[in-house]
Amino acid sequence: DAGVTQSPTHLIKTRGQQVTLRCSPISGHKSVSWYQQVLGQGPQFIFQYYEKEERGRGNFPDRFSARQFPNYSSELNVNALLLGDSALYLCASSLGAATGELFFGEGSRLTVL
Amino acid sequence: GNSVTQMEGPVTLSEEAFLTINCTYTATGYPSLFWYVQYPGEGLQLLLKATKADDKGSNKGFEATYRKETTSFHLEKGSVQVSDSAVYFCALSDQTGGFKTIFGAGTRLFVKA
Repeated sequence: DAGVTQSPTHLIKTRGQQVTLRCSPISGHKSVSWYQQVLGQGPQFIFQYYEKEERGRGNFPDRFSARQFPNYSSELNVNALLLGDSALYLCASSLGAATGELFFGEGSRLTVL
Repeated sequence: GNSVTQMEGPVTLSEEAFLTINCTYTATGYPSLFWYVQYPGEGLQLLLKATKADDKGSNKGFEATYRKETTSFHLEKGSVQVSDSAVYFCALSDQTGGFKTIFGAGTRLFVKA
């Protein structure tokens, strides 16, 4: 069975640009969450989507947005990139909105120059 | 707000040594507690979990007990192997403002042969 897949795996952008990251959850999972992991730190919660609705939002600026599609895949968009946005962006899926166990993809590593 | 604090690493042990990684939490209500592990070159994966006070989670020889009185969830293993070298994250579920998982900063473990 396919796990959580994310694309692209690596990308380099310059300040001020915009980026879109994509995630496909495990088949049957209806919840997708996004996390930002800066080198040497634990993942920080950005968004949770369940059944195409936003169910939670972390302490991130409005430059960060996301959506979930009818097939439960998801996109994370970041506008007006800053150097500090350089990080590993992790997508996690789970069966339900309040299911404790998260299944993570391997992440998209974003470098902002 | 809710938070997780875990011991700083790196932790370096010889094979067959006893492992303890300390984790304490601050939370309102009764969160579920987790340990996630990130092996080199791989994504985050759930190692074990406990959903209520005095529960013991266990997997692959690792154990952790949910201690409400000390707000702790320390990870232990009686005899580590080189293959246990990884980064370990303590985490809790948080249902305020939507469902999310809050992670500690991670503890890197090196096991020498």
